[in-house]
Amino acid sequence: AQSVSQHNHHVILSEAASLELGCNYSYGGTVNLFWYVQYPGQHLQLLLKYFSGDPLVKGIKGFEAEFIKSKFSFNLRKPSVQWSDTAEYFCAVSRNFGNEKLTFGTGTRLTIIP
Amino acid sequence: EPEVTQTPSHQVTQMGQEVILRCVPISNHLYFYWYRQILGQKVEFLVSFYNNEISEKSEIFDDQFSVERPDGSNFTLKIRSTKLEDSAMYFCASIRGSTDTQYFGPGTRLTVL
Repeated sequence: AQSVSQHNHHVILSEAASLELGCNYSYGGTVNLFWYVQYPGQHLQLLLKYFSGDPLVKGIKGFEAEFIKSKFSFNLRKPSVQWSDTAEYFCAVSRNFGNEKLTFGTGTRLTIIP
Repeated sequence: EPEVTQTPSHQVTQMGQEVILRCVPISNHLYFYWYRQILGQKVEFLVSFYNNEISEKSEIFDDQFSVERPDGSNFTLKIRSTKLEDSAMYFCASIRGSTDTQYFGPGTRLTVL
């Protein structure tokens, strides 16, 4: 079975700082990878996804993530964060066939200080 | 933009009672899911549903749980006899096709007293 690890539980940054949130997964086969964001009081929204092709994927709101197959990683990055990026960020993986379930990491709470 | 909706937003119930959580997936979506998130823990898969039958279920989804698509729009999760440990946020999700992205509803917070 697949699993996802997010090692940063709570990250606090000042506005304009650069962000990198770690995500590692374990699964022996081909995977689809996702980052979801949950703003306070709101539902899970897709930030970006990787299915195949270019391992550097760009998402909404200036976020990007890089799939490094050899490291089983899919880290989320943003060059300059804003106060409005304060949220919970979840990495998720699914097997790359069919309508597969998502397996989530424990999430990283990001707090941006103005 | 179409959205997945869920009702109620918050449900409080007594232990042992039955609850039904309702979801309206996006209208042309074909695959449906329930997940839950116990406070402070990660989002966990419960069950997936396609073509009026369960595709996959997790160990959490025991005999106390059931899902149904009673009509062309609703997708429900029933817990027959709630336990304290069922207290969680329950999320519904749907996708159009097998290579699509799952869209999540806002969740129902279930509190079992």
